[in-house]
Amino acid sequence: EAGVTQFPSHSVIEKGQTVTLRCDPISGHDNLYWYRRVMGKEIKFLLHFVKESKQDESGMPNNRFLAERTGGTYSTLKVQPAELEDSGVYFCASSPTGWSGYTFGSGTRLTVV
Amino acid sequence: GNSVTQMEGPVTLSEEAFLTINCTYTATGYPSLFWYVQYPGEGLQLLLKATKADDKGSNKGFEATYRKETTSFHLEKGSVQVSDSAVYFCALTLTNSGYALNFGKGTSLLVTP
Repeated sequence: EAGVTQFPSHSVIEKGQTVTLRCDPISGHDNLYWYRRVMGKEIKFLLHFVKESKQDESGMPNNRFLAERTGGTYSTLKVQPAELEDSGVYFCASSPTGWSGYTFGSGTRLTVV
Repeated sequence: GNSVTQMEGPVTLSEEAFLTINCTYTATGYPSLFWYVQYPGEGLQLLLKATKADDKGSNKGFEATYRKETTSFHLEKGSVQVSDSAVYFCALTLTNSGYALNFGKGTSLLVTP
């Protein structure tokens, strides 16, 4: 079974630019989560999709962040325009219906300069 | 609110030493507790979990016991190996949060030969 795939693995962009991160969950997993770890701080919850619907987006930091999940399959997280404080590692995770634990992707390391 | 506090690192141990990484939590309700591990260059992996008070989670020689009276979930291993070098994250989730995870800041462990 393929795991959760995230790309790019690394991205370096200039302040003010736009970046789009992608997450491909495990096939059949209805639940998809985005998390972020800013340097030296906790991994923070950003949002939760159930299929294509946003179940909880309470962790999204501001309106520069836009998440989508087309057709309930892969998800994208767009940051526009990027700011220095957006630098960190963005993790995606998926799980099937009901609680049986997550599978995390390897993360995308975003550096805004 | 819900939060997790774990000991700051980095922790450096010699091979075969005893490991303890402290974790305490605050939660409104009855959380499930987890330890995740991130090996260099990889994603987060579930190490062990406990879903109710007095449960003991164990995996790969690591153990943690859910202590409701002290709101703790300390991670222990009797004899660490160089291959255990990684970052360890304590986390909790509540069913009424859509299973979103609250993480601690992570503890970096380095085991030397």
